[in-house]
Amino acid sequence: GAVVSQHPSRVICKSGTSVKIECRSLDFQATTMFWYRQFPKQSLMLMATSNEGSKATYEQGVEKDKFLINHASLTLSTLTVTSAHPEDSSFYICSAHSGRGAGEKLFFGSGTQLSVL
Amino acid sequence: AQKVTQAQTEISVVEKEDVTLDCVYETRDTTYYLFWYKQPPSGELVFLIRRNSFDEQNEISGRYSWNFQKSTSSFNFTITASQVVDSAVYFCALNGGATNKLIFGTGTLLAVQP
Repeated sequence: GAVVSQHPSRVICKSGTSVKIECRSLDFQATTMFWYRQFPKQSLMLMATSNEGSKATYEQGVEKDKFLINHASLTLSTLTVTSAHPEDSSFYICSAHSGRGAGEKLFFGSGTQLSVL
Repeated sequence: AQKVTQAQTEISVVEKEDVTLDCVYETRDTTYYLFWYKQPPSGELVFLIRRNSFDEQNEISGRYSWNFQKSTSSFNFTITASQVVDSAVYFCALNGGATNKLIFGTGTLLAVQP
């Protein structure tokens, strides 16, 4: 079964609204979670690294005030797209790392398709 | 800088054909990890294999096989006797080890025709 749960799987919202996406590790404690964005027919681009109990680290070019990340517990990270606009429409996918060692396999959520009208 | 290149954007084969997906990587790390993931139309990422930089042994798992060659910085993936269910986008990815961030290639869309 899935070890990383991501919700919602699909969301449609109006321009200007905020959308929260949740990523939960189901049977392990995830010290680090990663958020990726994937535009149609393109690769996965890392947006930010979320560490439990500390501020997220954003990749170059990603607006931290627009994409709010909270990793308040070892099993939950949330990504909030604030004041969403049509250009934010994309497939967002999270992954979790157990912290057991470098290069450990990442577990991925099933992704969230965001459509902003 | 780390980079993963998948030069093949799309490949179309007929069922039962063998197909090889190419992956070339760049890294300055001496310890690193390489991955292949499958992304079917539903969107989720399916883990296929992980290989560390010290293990150059090729691996076979059923119809899947992987050829890791450090000398050419390549980690190619071969599907033998392809099936329609193999149709998906396949991503090669690199982890430098220190941060556990995965750097993905651009993906190869494999279409297996019946």
